[in-house]
Amino acid sequence: DAKTTQPPSMDCAEGRAANLPCNHSTISGNEYVYWYRQIHSQGPQYIIHGLKNNETNEMASLIITEDRKSSTLILPHATLRDTAVYYCIVLLLIQGAQKLVFGQGTRLTINP
Amino acid sequence: NAGVTQTPKFQVLKTGQSMTLQCAQDMNHEYMSWYRQDPGMGLRLIHYSVGAGITDQGEVPNGYNVSRSTTEDFPLRLLSAAPSQTSVYFCASNNRGRTEAFFGQGTRLTVV
Repeated sequence: DAKTTQPPSMDCAEGRAANLPCNHSTISGNEYVYWYRQIHSQGPQYIIHGLKNNETNEMASLIITEDRKSSTLILPHATLRDTAVYYCIVLLLIQGAQKLVFGQGTRLTINP
Repeated sequence: NAGVTQTPKFQVLKTGQSMTLQCAQDMNHEYMSWYRQDPGMGLRLIHYSVGAGITDQGEVPNGYNVSRSTTEDFPLRLLSAAPSQTSVYFCASNNRGRTEAFFGQGTRLTVV
């Protein structure tokens, strides 16, 4: 699975957009980009995933560059509850099973 | 619909003891996985299953056994606990394909 690189920490003001970058320069053509977050020590929570097109859901938007070597997760209007560790993961399905390879993620702090 | 349920939430073991961490999901998911998370680190895959009767090793399988006799349950067994197995353990399940994985709330294990 492709390795990802994320900044260890970021800060964002409440109500502003939080933009979390991720580099995955060795991604292959059939690997998807997934984002999960972990609030306190709870189980990780799925946010969004994509292959090459930009994706949006009720939680966030995912922007993937044309060469697919990097992506950005956007939380459009960050709230205090968005304070968490955010993981960018590139995975390949093995017999349908997701083998998620977590890095150390980005610790996002939303400030009032 | 409870999702993924892990028991117990907390456990203290003495070195050499054995125990089983329980994981159950009620979403009829085919795929289940076990991860461990050490302090300040991302999650690492221990074992996974692509269906009843089928299991395989992940990144850090040594010292752990699994079995999958039913779709719903995927217990993780520690044969002879060691202090290096002190960690938080997460169970996850997902359905076929590129769907989101659902995680349990974790079991915090301390081996003394």
